Amino acid sequence: AQSVTQPDIHITVSEGASLELRCNYSYGATPYLFWYVQSPGQGLQLLLKYFSGDTLVQGIKGFEAEFKRSQSSFNLRKPSVHWSDAAEYFCAVGARVNAGKSTFGDGTTLTVKP
Amino acid sequence: DTGVSQDPRHKITKRGQNVTFRCDPISEHNRLYWYRQTLGQGPEFLTYFQNEAQLEKSRLLSDRFSAERPKGSFSTLEIQRTEQGDSAMYLCASSGDGGWVEAFFGQGTRLTVV
Repeated sequence: AQSVTQPDIHITVSEGASLELRCNYSYGATPYLFWYVQSPGQGLQLLLKYFSGDTLVQGIKGFEAEFKRSQSSFNLRKPSVHWSDAAEYFCAVGARVNAGKSTFGDGTTLTVKP
Repeated sequence: DTGVSQDPRHKITKRGQNVTFRCDPISEHNRLYWYRQTLGQGPEFLTYFQNEAQLEKSRLLSDRFSAERPKGSFSTLEIQRTEQGDSAMYLCASSGDGGWVEAFFGQGTRLTVV
């Protein structure tokens, strides 16, 4: 069975500082991987996705993520955080034949200090 | 088309009442998914449709839950005899066909059972 672990429940960074959110997955084959962002009371917005190819993927809002097969990781990064990035971030692994059916981690809440 | 639409956004109901939620997917998307998200958790898959056919149901979908997509367009999720444990955000998502496609999420319906 597939699973996703986000080890950090809550992260606080200062505005302008760099950010890395961790994600580890368990899946029997090459996974489809996603990062979503959720603002309070809102739905999920896709930040980026990995299906195949280049292991460093670029997303919206200046985010990027790197797929590392040997570490079963798909960490999300941003070089300089803005106050508007404060939200909850979810990593997900999609089923191979139907990526829309995904297993999500429990999320990491990002707080940005001024 | 402005994306996946869910109605209502919020619903407060008394325990034991029935509730129904509606989801309108992106118009060209054949696949539609329902997820449930409780506080502090990531979304959990409930069920999905390919056109009007309900192809998969999670064990989370008890007998009190029923979902339909009668004409392969909008979908409804009904919960009968609601319980306090049903309080959650119910998210709908849609995607195109194939494995290499991500799901787009609606804003969700927040259900509170009192």
